[in-house]
Amino acid sequence: RKEVEQDPGPFNVPEGATVAFNCTYSNSASQSFFWYRQDCRKEPKLLMSVYSSGNEDGRFTAQLNRASQYISLLIRDSKLSDSATYLCVVNGNTNAGKSTFGDGTTLTVKP
Amino acid sequence: GAVVSQHPSWVICKSGTSVKIECRSLDFQATTMFWYRQFPKQSLMLMATSNEGSKATYEQGVEKDKFLINHASLTLSTLTVTSAHPEDSSFYICSARRINTGELFFGEGSRLTVL
Repeated sequence: RKEVEQDPGPFNVPEGATVAFNCTYSNSASQSFFWYRQDCRKEPKLLMSVYSSGNEDGRFTAQLNRASQYISLLIRDSKLSDSATYLCVVNGNTNAGKSTFGDGTTLTVKP
Repeated sequence: GAVVSQHPSWVICKSGTSVKIECRSLDFQATTMFWYRQFPKQSLMLMATSNEGSKATYEQGVEKDKFLINHASLTLSTLTVTSAHPEDSSFYICSARRINTGELFFGEGSRLTVL
């Protein structure tokens, strides 16, 4: 079993749709969690950190469920520009060791 | 926001030569940096974890003598691809982890083509 697992998709949705991605992790002691976005042939960019209380940034909402060991990303009112690959990242220890990536979920938003 | 500079962005070299790629965190300190490679339409593959002042930790299957990593300061890590061959052609990306937040910031990547 992979340490961090994501549904690879692809997710194909119309503009304006709401889409949700989940990411599960195996290390129950993991300390910090993030969502990144990667466009084709570009480096990943930090989208948002994920906190236990949940956090929202405009159309994006991230949630952490420690009991079930998953994090989620919700995108409301999808835009064409949201088309990208979304990666979840889990740190076993915030200041040491490895940051583990999921393989990414590909989202395509269509007109 | 935090900036990580990776250089060079593009490099074309002959088979058998060595190529050095630099990764610098410009406005924060990073005790840990990571090196990845990514083939087209595939996910990031972690090659090694670079720790400031100590030896890098390599992932299984990554040859440490071929991919030399040096992390001499809190803001600089280098990856040297030694005796490069065409199969080493790939997109190499570094990331730096900011102390205390755990956030990763990525360099823009280096596209290596070995002829």
